[in-house]
Amino acid sequence: KAGVTQTPRYLIKTRGQQVTLSCSPISGHRSVSWYQQTPGQGLQFLFEYFSETQRNKGNFPGRFSGRQFSNSRSEMNVSTLELGDSALYLCASSYNRLPGSYEQYFGPGTRLTVT
Amino acid sequence: TQLLEQSPQFLSIQEGENLTVYCNSSSVFSSLQWYRQEPGEGPVLLVTVVTGGEVKKLKRLTFQFGDARKDSSLHITAAQPGDTGLYLCAGEVDGNDYKLSFGAGTTVTVRA
Repeated sequence: KAGVTQTPRYLIKTRGQQVTLSCSPISGHRSVSWYQQTPGQGLQFLFEYFSETQRNKGNFPGRFSGRQFSNSRSEMNVSTLELGDSALYLCASSYNRLPGSYEQYFGPGTRLTVT
Repeated sequence: TQLLEQSPQFLSIQEGENLTVYCNSSSVFSSLQWYRQEPGEGPVLLVTVVTGGEVKKLKRLTFQFGDARKDSSLHITAAQPGDTGLYLCAGEVDGNDYKLSFGAGTTVTVRA
């Protein structure tokens, strides 16, 4: 089975621009989660989608948004970029959401640099 | 404040030595995962523990879940340079659905 794929792998943007990141989950996985990873804050949960519905979101400003398509692929968007948005953005997919089996499989991430 | 506290933050040992990484919280977790992440890559799932007191072994790695499901440890026996990486624990808090909370991670370096 192919793993989680994320595109692009690297991105450089300037402050004020917006960016869209894409994630294709493992075939058969219907849950997709997004995380932001920085040296100072570690891995921070952004949001989770299942069957095109956002089921939970983390404590990020409204500039961060996401969506999921009917084929389970997901995108996240960051508008009005700030320098502090520079981070590794990780997507993870999961097959089964039942308690005790919430295992997530991560993609390689998109490294976003805001200048 | 991290929901999961990992210690130590950094660990540098010689090949062949043993090491233990700890993951502690005041919250109860329905399940807890350990991941290893290498530079420029996403975390890779190593193990999931779900039952209090559970012990799982993966070759030279031993994972333990505390009886109260609030803490966990990862022990590596006879560490090898290939064990080098960032070790992350992550848990799903009872009643807090659809998200994993991660510890800050322990950077392990095994010197040849």
